[in-house]
Amino acid sequence: GIQVEQSPPDLILQEGANSTLRCNFSDSVNNLQWFHQNPWGQLINLFYIPSGTKQNGRLSATTVATERYSLLYISSSQTTDSGVYFCAVVGSGGSYIPTFGRGTSLIVHP
Amino acid sequence: ETGVTQTPRHLVMGMTNKKSLKCEQHLGHNAMYWYKQSAKKPLELMFVYNFKEQTENNSVPSRFSPECPNSSHLFLHLHTLQPEDSALYLCASSQVGPDAPQHFGDGTRLSIL
Repeated sequence: GIQVEQSPPDLILQEGANSTLRCNFSDSVNNLQWFHQNPWGQLINLFYIPSGTKQNGRLSATTVATERYSLLYISSSQTTDSGVYFCAVVGSGGSYIPTFGRGTSLIVHP
Repeated sequence: ETGVTQTPRHLVMGMTNKKSLKCEQHLGHNAMYWYKQSAKKPLELMFVYNFKEQTENNSVPSRFSPECPNSSHLFLHLHTLQPEDSALYLCASSQVGPDAPQHFGDGTRLSIL
């Protein structure tokens, strides 16, 4: 099946800093989502982005499907951005079941 | 995250108890999923239902028994669990299709005494 690798595994920032999280995948995809899991365990949809670029406030994401990666940008980070960021993809092989990466754990210090 | 509701939010049970987790989605989706997330670990897919039919069972022990009476409801029946089953259990739903995003409930945090 499709492989998903996220980097870095851990990230520590000061409030106000910018960061880039990466998701690499091993095959072509029909679907790619970014999620934020907050410290209470809730998984929040950030972006549905199988290709192209989207922005939502301080967050933006870009997927370059032909090169098999996606980037999540966080600008002017806040302590509420802390948590784990997951990338999930659905390969183009016919399945509809997502494969999740292992996540990037982000801690933003005040 | 709205649209997918899980109850209870927290559950503490002994190893000999029987309990059930409930998931309900109001999004008109036709696929529902159970995931397990142990502390500091990634999500593990447990079961997938597609139009009420189970299409995926990811080698889950028989002490976990799923039930999907209709496309909007999903249950996970628990019996004689082990301490290593303590985890966050997440329910998700989506349309059936390769380009359909998933939506998650808030999870049930389960502790086995």
